[in-house]
Amino acid sequence: EVVLTQSPGTLSLSPGESATLSCRASQSVSSTYLAWHQQKPGQAPRLLIHGSSRRATGIPDRFSGSGSGTEFTLTISRLEPEDYALYFCQLYTTAPTWTFGQGTKVELK
Amino acid sequence: QLQESGPGLVSPSETLALTCSVSGDTIAGYYWTWLRQSPGKGPEWIAYVTYRGSGYNPSLKSRVSISVDTSNTQFSLRMTSLTAADTAIYYCATYSSGWSRALDIWGPGTKVTVSS
Repeated sequence: EVVLTQSPGTLSLSPGESATLSCRASQSVSSTYLAWHQQKPGQAPRLLIHGSSRRATGIPDRFSGSGSGTEFTLTISRLEPEDYALYFCQLYTTAPTWTFGQGTKVELK
Repeated sequence: QLQESGPGLVSPSETLALTCSVSGDTIAGYYWTWLRQSPGKGPEWIAYVTYRGSGYNPSLKSRVSISVDTSNTQFSLRMTSLTAADTAIYYCATYSSGWSRALDIWGPGTKVTVSS
């Protein structure tokens, strides 16, 4: 079973700053199946990035994903007020199963 | 679109029954899933169903079953022997991208509290 570990637990940043979120897999995984979600209080997760680096429909280009193997990154450039939220990485395996990291909270500094 | 429905409050040791209604599509082809999320944690995948069959999270397999309604517009989850640890928001979800299979279509979730 692959475990996804996200860091840091919390990021405190000001609007306009950039955020770098990390997701580490316990073993090498296919970048095709690595995704990132955003979740705001009281809402379901919203897909931001899939295939490690492809933005989902309607996602602004300030969100970008990268990585391969065991290390993946979500970058949010120029934080907007609506970007303060929880972010989860998600892995699909061909078993099939879906696994999530424990999340990184981006909060207002 | 997906919409969960369920009892809200369940007594310990009882059985939970949830339904996900699918609008604008039928249950064919892709995987249709149930997940849950406890406060402060990432979502936990519970089970999937497709026209070919179903699969379960090994940690929950002994207590869970998933099924599809004969109309192919609803799928359901049953979870037995509930405890307080099963208190969570339960979501149904699926994906639109067959190559990445990232979950991008979610219901709003239904809160389930296990308490006497």
